[in-house]
Amino acid sequence: DLTQPSSVSVSPGQTATITCYADNLSYQFVCWYQQRPGQSPRLIIYQDNKRPSGIPERFSGSNSGNTATLTISGAQAMDEADYYCQTWDTTTVLFGGGTKVTVL
Amino acid sequence: RLQLQESGPGLVKPSETLSLICAVSGASISSSDFYWGWIRQSPGMGLEWIGSFHSSGILYFNPSLKSRVTISVDTSKNHLALKMTSMTAADRALYYCARGLSASSDYYGDGSFDFWGQGTLVTVSS
Repeated sequence: DLTQPSSVSVSPGQTATITCYADNLSYQFVCWYQQRPGQSPRLIIYQDNKRPSGIPERFSGSNSGNTATLTISGAQAMDEADYYCQTWDTTTVLFGGGTKVTVL
Repeated sequence: RLQLQESGPGLVKPSETLSLICAVSGASISSSDFYWGWIRQSPGMGLEWIGSFHSSGILYFNPSLKSRVTISVDTSKNHLALKMTSMTAADRALYYCARGLSASSDYYGDGSFDFWGQGTLVTVSS
């Protein structure tokens, strides 16, 4: 299982940190999706720390030991969404339970 | 421009088989450069992977759903199909298809999905 906090709150302009935990997680690539209300998931980080084209630089990722981390630096109101981590172990896709980020 | 359009009956009866289609435009489902997946999301809940397909013919399935799921492609229509048997109320969800990028050395690359369809809602009720 991939364990995420159910919710994270952040003030506008501050930094939000979302974790994703599993044993030996650093042995696998982790990606992150953002899902705004009523929208499909959008890939925002892949291969632990790479950003697809068009994803703002305020989104960054890391993966070390048992924990992968998504950081939103300088959070904006538009970043309010659910965030999911995901791994692939060469045969199985696994999603974290999701973290609701509130910007207030 | 890549588009993925899921479609299906919307409503299925308990114990019946669900059949969904993902119509792909802007990319070839036969290309070895991509893999394709089905993912679902129950209302208000998280994401659950159903299975993935690559044109090499190699498929992978969620172990908890494997016995009930078939994924196939129709290359003439450039679409991906999902069949799920023995539907119950627990299968009520928004069903998404999505695309991933293969790597030169690995059909399934890093396993991420870089593009998603809008999803189709499936309700199970008599």
